[in-house]
Amino acid sequence: DQQVKQNSPSLSVQEGRISILNCDYTNSMFDYFLWYKKYPAEGPTFLISISSIKDKNEDGRFTVFLNKSAKHLSLHIVPSQPGDSAVYFCAASGGNEKLTFGTGTRLTIIP
Amino acid sequence: DTGVSQNPRHKITKRGQNVTFRCDPISEHNRLYWYRQTLGQGPEFLTYFQNEAQLEKSRLLSDRFSAERPKGSFSTLEIQRTEQGDSAMYLCASSFGQGGTEAFFGQGTRLTVV
Repeated sequence: DQQVKQNSPSLSVQEGRISILNCDYTNSMFDYFLWYKKYPAEGPTFLISISSIKDKNEDGRFTVFLNKSAKHLSLHIVPSQPGDSAVYFCAASGGNEKLTFGTGTRLTIIP
Repeated sequence: DTGVSQNPRHKITKRGQNVTFRCDPISEHNRLYWYRQTLGQGPEFLTYFQNEAQLEKSRLLSDRFSAERPKGSFSTLEIQRTEQGDSAMYLCASSFGQGGTEAFFGQGTRLTVV
């Protein structure tokens, strides 16, 4: 049972435009959500997080939106840069410490 | 570099052999996690420690897997009698505090069982 879903395996965006990555979850016990970025042969790098008491968190070019009623979150990157090309993982936790990850979305920024 | 460190980065072993991986977390972090990632999947939780206590183990962690964190510092993950299905990237992460905190990952150990 995939509790965290990233339904788009890949996404291509023109440099300078907005990248929007989506994530859905099914477990209503999740109360903390994170986005990680991963380059090949490296471990995931933490990008941004959001608690369930908020609906938006912003850090520079990265903004995460949380819609609890829809059990949906999204990561907006604006403006997109070539260095943003990577695999992005959505993750969630709730009550305990383990993270449940989605299967990832490969973002390609086209120069 | 004060990030999470994992050794070795790569390990090739014959089926049936035992392997051990090491993780050195960020020094002030009290929580340490092990995850496994296979191709096309996100990382899957294996186990975690708070200080030296192992608090949760996934059902993915069969009897052939054992993890330790003596003295609440570095951790080791041992796989006995390796099988080809154990081939994966093994990731270690650490965090500070409890609940709703970011976990920081090491670069992983790529295990190939031949």
